[in-house]
Order: sequence, then C-alpha cells, then structure tokens
Amino acid sequence: AQSVTQPDIHITVSEGASLELRCNYSYGATPYLFWYVQSPGQGLQLLLKYFSGDTLVQGIKGFEAEFKRSQSSFNLRKPSVHWSDAAEYFCAVGPRRGGSYIPTFGRGTSLIVHP
Amino acid sequence: DVKVTQSSRYLVKRTGEKVFLECVQDMDHENMFWYRQDPGLGLRLIYFSYDVKMKEKGDIPEGYSVSREKKERFSLILESASTNQTSMYLCASKEVALGNEQFFGPGTRLTVL
Repeated sequence: AQSVTQPDIHITVSEGASLELRCNYSYGATPYLFWYVQSPGQGLQLLLKYFSGDTLVQGIKGFEAEFKRSQSSFNLRKPSVHWSDAAEYFCAVGPRRGGSYIPTFGRGTSLIVHP
Repeated sequence: DVKVTQSSRYLVKRTGEKVFLECVQDMDHENMFWYRQDPGLGLRLIYFSYDVKMKEKGDIPEGYSVSREKKERFSLILESASTNQTSMYLCASKEVALGNEQFFGPGTRLTVL
C-alpha cells in the first residue's frame, strides 16, 4: 500500500526566509502527488498537484514543488515566506491501490512564522 | 465557486448519544469522504462513498456508519458516541476521474463529554 512521510512535525522560519517542507512517498506506480494547506479553523485547500510531465510544479500563493522519482520525494518550497503562510501543510499520494481513488495523507507539518 | 458545507462547526454531545454529521457538496461529485483529524496523526479515512447508496470502509470505521441517499449529501453517524471520538471531522468530495483533487469542508469540531 502507498504511504507518505512528512519527517518534520514543526518548522519555524522567519518572515522573508525561504522554506522547504519535505515529503517522501512509497508507491508502486507513477504517483499522483498533492500538497494541501490548512489555515487555522479551515478545511484543506489544494496548493498544487503533480500527475506527469514537468517535474517542477507551480502552485498558488507562490509555492512550488519538485518531484524527484529517484528520491521518492515531492518537497514543497517557497522563496520568501509571509506571516499568512503559517498553517498546517499536508502531502498526499494517490490513488489507493485496487482502483479506489483515495489519496493517502501524511501526518502534516506545522509551519510557524516569526516576524 | 465550488463548495462543501458541513452542518456544524462545533458540536458538544454526551457519551452514548447518537450523533449525525452532515455534509453537502454542490459540485455534482461522485465521490465523497469522511476523515477525522487528530494532532500528530494527520487525516485518517473513516468511510468513503463512490456513488449514491454505495459506501466503503476506510482505515478507521469502527464506531461509525454513513449514509448517502442523495448524490450531494453524505452523512456520518456515530451510533453511540464515546469520548475517544472527540476530534475534528472533515468531509471532502471529488470527481471520479483519476487524480482529481479533493475539495474539503471547513470541518466539525466534535466534543464528546
């Protein structure tokens, strides 16, 4: 079965600094990969997704992610963090094997932004 | 603008009560999902439905049931609420096409006393 690992539970950065959130996955076929963001008190919102093609994917809010098959990684990056980026970030891989179209989520990384 | 709504943002219930959490989507999506979210555990799938009257267990179905009588509505039922079901519950929907993103509701924070 597929799995997703987000090794960092919390990340603290200063406003204006660059950001990289790590995501590693285990999946037997070409994966569909997603990054979602959850602001305090909100549901999840899609930041970006990768299906195929260019391995560098651009998303909303200035985020990008790079798919590296050799490392089984799909790390999320942002060159300059804003205070409003403080949130919980979830990486997901899908679909579940057996044909049910259900992504598997990582445990999340909480981003703290210092002024 | 697409929308998934959940009937309550906050809910407080007593142990042993039967609890209904409602979710409605306006996007004509075939698939709908219920997750619970707990700190450090991420999102865990309780049940999902791939079409009306069709459902399948997720990773943690014990103590829960679901109902989907209409395409736009997916209900989560706690047959007899227990304190260990205190959690944030998230509903989501998606089109059936492979790889399509999920759209999430704002969540229901359920407290069982």
